[in-house]
Amino acid sequence: DSGVTQTPKHLITATGQRVTLRCSPRSGDLSVYWYQQSLDQGLQFLIHYYNGEERAKGNILERFSAQQFPDLHSELNLSSLELGDSALYFCASSGGRGAGAFYNEQFFGPGTRLTVL
Amino acid sequence: AQSVTQLGSHVSVSEGALVLLRCNYSSSVPPYLFWYVQYPNQGLQLLLKYTTGATLVKGINGFEAEFKKSETSFHLTKPSAHMSDAAEYFCAVSDRGRDDKIIFGKGTRLHILP
Repeated sequence: DSGVTQTPKHLITATGQRVTLRCSPRSGDLSVYWYQQSLDQGLQFLIHYYNGEERAKGNILERFSAQQFPDLHSELNLSSLELGDSALYFCASSGGRGAGAFYNEQFFGPGTRLTVL
Repeated sequence: AQSVTQLGSHVSVSEGALVLLRCNYSSSVPPYLFWYVQYPNQGLQLLLKYTTGATLVKGINGFEAEFKKSETSFHLTKPSAHMSDAAEYFCAVSDRGRDDKIIFGKGTRLHILP
């Protein structure tokens, strides 16, 4: 158990819909990262938040957005869903701060499996 | 731009044999390098990382990797494979800049033959 929790575990929805994925980092970790894992794209970094502020963006679509709240939990919002958005979405947390945070170990949650029909 | 290439999407070794998973990277600056393991239906777990200093890095579960700048490689090895090593392994690279991101390879699925 990494200490990172993600809800829900599974989500099935239809094209065009909007969903919210939730992540609670390990106690004391200020950084939260979101990743998408799919068969065709592999594992892709989406976005990194540190203590409520966006720090780095990866291959995140404009239809997707994220935020980190004062209690440090984070939400990933996916809108206007397409079939190709079906994937495993992972959240990770670390104690790292700001630039250079990636050298700190990231602890991954179990993921949310999103299926878009 | 950074990139990571993992040679072989599937690798099979016999139990007790040497495990060698290959990773080559490209980066315009000295990189941070990582190996992660993903067991079925689980998230990723850090095996080891290279940041600075000694180029031979030891990780958990008996794995190690060597950073070779001249070859732009960071291959993962384990002297003797165990059935419990069956999993997917990801090599990743991150630069050291302000807007650092982490780039993962496509992954290598390791199969252990009895």
